[in-house]
Amino acid sequence: EVQLVESGGGLVQPGGSLRLSCAASGFTFSSYEMNWVRQAPGKGLEWVSYISSSGSTIYYADSVKGRFTISRDNAKNSLYLQMNSLRAEDTAVYYCARGGVAATLPYWGQGTLVTVSS
Amino acid sequence: DIQMTQSPSSVSASVGDRVTITCRASQGISSWLAWYQQKPGKAPKLLIYAASSLQSGVPSRFSGSGSGTDFTLTISSLQPEDFATYYCQQANSFPPGFTFGPGTKVDIK
Repeated sequence: EVQLVESGGGLVQPGGSLRLSCAASGFTFSSYEMNWVRQAPGKGLEWVSYISSSGSTIYYADSVKGRFTISRDNAKNSLYLQMNSLRAEDTAVYYCARGGVAATLPYWGQGTLVTVSS
Repeated sequence: DIQMTQSPSSVSASVGDRVTITCRASQGISSWLAWYQQKPGKAPKLLIYAASSLQSGVPSRFSGSGSGTDFTLTISSLQPEDFATYYCQQANSFPPGFTFGPGTKVDIK
């Protein structure tokens, strides 16, 4: 069974940093593309970042470019999101999601809440 | 950038009703469209990919159609567990990224 478990969320002040982790199991992690998607409270879904299976190709949404860094450790079956210079508008539940056929996201974690507030 | 719109933004329906949700892309995306269902406090669940292909394990009352700029998700006979918010997602412009529609909430009439 595919499982994705996020951790690392919490309360942080504006301008602060946080590192999210996503532990994967139930599939060959090194063979799949991974993504981060977020959802602000009461709002819709926003794609944040993509990383290829090897980690050699990375993309970011314009809203986080230059502030967030996605990475992965295939030996540890783990995905990461380093978030710097956090803003109030980054407050959201952050999901890790595995890539699938036709550029879809068939598997998602349960999400971790990041709150940026003073 | 490709923008996605959905209509209606919300719909009230009864168990057994046929429900249709529309998603429109600001430019043609061929069949690069998926549909997700999300219940409160839960992660989204993939229902349909490539506009009309049913994801494994999804009930056959869900169906998708369309290509180019206009797409629909149809629930043929609404069940109690189908009350949720539905999002479309385009992947034609991937890379670099995905774009989701704003969502359609289906609630109880």
